[in-house]
Amino acid sequence: DTEVTQTPKHLVMGMTNKKSLKCEQHMGHRAMYWYKQKAKKPPELMFVYSYEKLSINESVPSRFSPECPNSSLLNLHLHALQPEDSALYLCASSQGGREKLFFGSGTQLSVL
Amino acid sequence: GDSVTQMEGPVTLSEEAFLTINCTYTATGYPSLFWYVQYPGEGLQLLLKATKADDKGSNKGFEATYRKETTSFHLEKGSVQVSDSAVYFCALVDPGYSTLTFGKGTMLLVSP
Repeated sequence: DTEVTQTPKHLVMGMTNKKSLKCEQHMGHRAMYWYKQKAKKPPELMFVYSYEKLSINESVPSRFSPECPNSSLLNLHLHALQPEDSALYLCASSQGGREKLFFGSGTQLSVL
Repeated sequence: GDSVTQMEGPVTLSEEAFLTINCTYTATGYPSLFWYVQYPGEGLQLLLKATKADDKGSNKGFEATYRKETTSFHLEKGSVQVSDSAVYFCALVDPGYSTLTFGKGTMLLVSP
């Protein structure tokens, strides 16, 4: 299994809603990542988990809250988002070091 | 810090034409280099990679050679197809950081 699975594929939420994005991988990778991608832009790193511990937070607003319940799962909890947070949210995993990242197909998020 | 510079797009070609997308990088260490491809509405897929100088990555007719002397990793394909239309991202992983640094992406449009 060389897939990173993200759910849901699409999400529409209001600014007062609370929702969660989910990501799963069964490749035994030790590093997992959240990226945000706006249209026609490259992905921007948000968070990195290494061995289930948060190792990098790229100054992301607290309305985004990551969680890594175990080595296969990564969540991104969303609360009180703004319309400018609308984007494609990509999860990725890797063995770490200089190894390649495997990306999921993303969650297209729209904040109304 | 690390950076990746790609040629501006879109690149517009006719089917069976030769493709080159330029990519140059700056890095403090000895990075691994990657090309990722993103088809409309999807996540990123690894196209090819190279981990050391003079390595050639290849996949699906695409090739790129890690040139340390010119800090380049240009993507080439001898004969493009309509199905190659996508956005192509050059990226590097600095071993000290284990995170991807992306170029801005180059859109390729291939017409029949």
